Amino acid sequence: QSALTQPRSVSGSPGQSVTISCTGTSSDVGGYNYVSWYQQHPGKAPKLMIYDVSKRPSGVPDRFSGSQSGNTASLTISGLQAEDEADYYCCSYGGSWVFGGGTKMTVL
Amino acid sequence: QLQLQESGPGLVKPSETLSLTCTVSGGSIRSSHCYWGWIRQPPGKGLEWIGSINYSGSTYYDPSLKSRLTIFVDTSKNQFSLKLSSVTAADTAVYYCARHETSLRSLVWFPNWFDPWGQGTLVTVSS
Repeated sequence: QSALTQPRSVSGSPGQSVTISCTGTSSDVGGYNYVSWYQQHPGKAPKLMIYDVSKRPSGVPDRFSGSQSGNTASLTISGLQAEDEADYYCCSYGGSWVFGGGTKMTVL
Repeated sequence: QLQLQESGPGLVKPSETLSLTCTVSGGSIRSSHCYWGWIRQPPGKGLEWIGSINYSGSTYYDPSLKSRLTIFVDTSKNQFSLKLSSVTAADTAVYYCARHETSLRSLVWFPNWFDPWGQGTLVTVSS
């Protein structure tokens, strides 16, 4: 199963909003509401930020939101802060669990 | 607070078997509706799901690794483990364990998202 497609990098200035896309197929992202998003700082373990497309675990700021349209899921970070600079990965079920290639998010 | 910790050799020779254990603390591995998963990350690359297991031994394996992979659980020790045989340099990675949380799907509790994660352990395959 192929990895989900994410942009290699995105950037934004403090206070701005950025959106990271995650494109799959009707056999994974589009076929299930099972998209989750993870934040990973350098040298650290991934941290769950969004599950079930748009649900936020307790403790995750409401600046982070998720959505889906067809075969593409999106993670939006509003009111960017310096600590949001990290790698972000999407994940979906589609016969097995597959991750996106990851997006490096830079705060300018 | 649930915590997971990976343990095992940091260096494995090519063609040998990679063995890792994940110890769960702050909760029971017998928790209802939970699976427990392994994910790896080759140096400088993205995340790859390896496989998941529940307390009764029901497993899901990545198809590309299935022929070399065994995941098993030891409820008495609150641990689950991974064995990957015939390793090559391509298996060099940071290996993470994580709770593979479930959600109800067609009356079945189905693995969905990963939370929390262990800190990860680097395994290098080299002679």
